[in-house]
Amino acid sequence: SQKIEQNSEALNIQEGKTATLTCNYTNYSPAYLQWYRQDPGRGPVFLLLIRENEKEKRKERLKVTFDTTLKQSLFHITASQPADSATYLCGTTTSGTYKYIFGTGTRLKVLA
Amino acid sequence: DTAVSQTPKYLVTQMGNDKSIKCEQNLGHDTMYWYKQDSKKFLKIMFSYNNKELIINETVPNRFSPKSPDKAHLNLHINSLELGDSAVYFCASSWVGGVSYEQYFGPGTRLTVT
Repeated sequence: SQKIEQNSEALNIQEGKTATLTCNYTNYSPAYLQWYRQDPGRGPVFLLLIRENEKEKRKERLKVTFDTTLKQSLFHITASQPADSATYLCGTTTSGTYKYIFGTGTRLKVLA
Repeated sequence: DTAVSQTPKYLVTQMGNDKSIKCEQNLGHDTMYWYKQDSKKFLKIMFSYNNKELIINETVPNRFSPKSPDKAHLNLHINSLELGDSAVYFCASSWVGGVSYEQYFGPGTRLTVT
């Protein structure tokens, strides 16, 4: 079955460092991948989308890459701040459908 | 302005009861969704409506019945609640003709079945 996996359940990093989160997909080739941020007690909030023909996408301190050879997307937060602490979800739709699937998320904690 | 709103925010009820969760979006989107997020934070799609038509119906017990009276509203009714139904339920909406396919999520309804 088509799957999205985020390898790290939790990631702790020091303030000011770059956080790198990983999203892998299996058994298909998604046309795009999305990244969302979810804070405790709140719904996910869309951050970025990257398409399969784009190598990299940036938005302020955020950078997303898409490697179709490795079947992987990396999500980077540069100059991380404690306010970046949250759970980050990777998601997309399965082939030819409107059905969204998400990874289990990575809980990022930025230490002051 | 609230984009996607859900009521209630919290719902505590006993096994066997019937309950409903309501969702409204004011974004003009044509597609709405219900998701279930379990205790391990895994977000799983349950239903989706496009222009009031059911387009996604995952393997959800038929105790769960969605209803979309119009494009801006999607409600979820749950009959004969069970302990395993305890979770956070999120409503979301999107414009499937858009370029980013981004979904806008509501604040969630935490359902606790005792």
